[in-house]
This record gives sequence, C-alpha cells and structure tokens, in this order.
Amino acid sequence: SYELTQPLSVSVALGQTARITCGGNNIGSKNVHWYQQKPGQAPVLVIFTNSNRPSGIPERFSGSNSGDTATLTISRAQAGDEADYFCQVWDSNTVFGGGTKLTVL
Amino acid sequence: QLQMQESGPGLVKPPETLSLTCTVSGGSISSSGHNWAWIRQPPGKGLEWIGNIYYSGSTYYNPSLKSRVTISVDTSKNQFSLKLSSVTAADTAVYYCARQALYQLLPNWLDPWGQGTLVTVSS
Repeated sequence: SYELTQPLSVSVALGQTARITCGGNNIGSKNVHWYQQKPGQAPVLVIFTNSNRPSGIPERFSGSNSGDTATLTISRAQAGDEADYFCQVWDSNTVFGGGTKLTVL
Repeated sequence: QLQMQESGPGLVKPPETLSLTCTVSGGSISSSGHNWAWIRQPPGKGLEWIGNIYYSGSTYYNPSLKSRVTISVDTSKNQFSLKLSSVTAADTAVYYCARQALYQLLPNWLDPWGQGTLVTVSS
C-alpha cells in the first residue's frame, strides 16, 4: 500500500516561512491535498491538487509537488497557524500522511 | 453553504456494530461530481479514511477495514450511513463525514467536513 511520510514536528519563528514536507514514491505523479487541524476541531482543506487554495484560505498558504516530495509552504507565519497539518493522496484508496505539528515560536 | 452533521451512539459494546449517520444540508447528496466519505481519528493519532459512496450506491472501501465496513446512502433523506461490525477498543475514535470531490474521475480532496463524533468502544 502507498505510504506518505511527514515530519512529526516543524517549528517556525513568527513572521517567517514554514515548510512542511510529504514524502512518497513518485508523489509528483499524484494529486496532493493538505489539511489544517486545530485542537478539538475538524480538519480544514487548505490546498487541493498540489497548489490550489480553496476560497477563504489566505494567499500565505501555497503548495508544490515534484519527484518524491510535496511541500506545503506557509509564509509570514502567524500564531493562528499553529496546528497539525496532514497531506493526502488517492492511490486505489485515500491515504493520509501521519501529520505534522507546526509550532510558531 | 454545504454542511455535514454526524449522529449516532457515543458508546458501543464489543463486539457489536457501530452505526453512524451523516446528514447533508445546504446541498443535494445526489449531485454529480462528489462522493460522500467517512474518516476516523483515534484520540491523539492521525486520520484514517474508511470509505466513500456515490449517490448511485457505488462504494470504495479502505482495504484494511473492508471486511467490516458497509456504507449506504439514502437520497430521500439526504443522508449516508456507516456500519462497522465486530468492533474492538481499537475502533475508538472521532468519526467524521465529509464530501469527497471527484477529480479526473477519482475521489480526491475532502471538503467540507462534519464536526465529528466521538465513539467509544467499551463494555
């Protein structure tokens, strides 16, 4: 079965750029989606099909996907961006990465 | 604006069957271009996709759960449901329902999600 690998945690200074990676075999050939989940809340879609933002998601959130790594980039990080982030693809069934906890220092 | 709401018992005894319903409001469950999905999240852990269903009744299931899962749809009530049989403590989780977009004819992103409902499996 297809596996997605994310770092357990990423830290970023307030106002700086955070990058969260999602590794998978030839993931660049797949459509990658990203979700933000704050404590006690349901996940929220922040990026779909690699680099598209749903309405209401700030332009500070962007995505890229190539080779064996997809990346979620959060520019000008804010305290409110602290959350768990999950990547997801379809490979005969829906697969999630293990999630990354983003800390804004 | 589409909204999803899960409902069902919060406590299930092993090895009974877990049953949940998701009610869709603000849109039709019979709309083309989307499947309707169930996802779960054990306390403190990551997300696990359970399966989805199209309004016509066609389904996709997670292979790891397929033998125990049934997802059905009731278009007259704008609802879809989950049944998970032979539950154990390992099935304790927050269960979410969500709309899953069809893109390039395949299920893709999940949006929006319901608020989730905690189901505890305990005798």
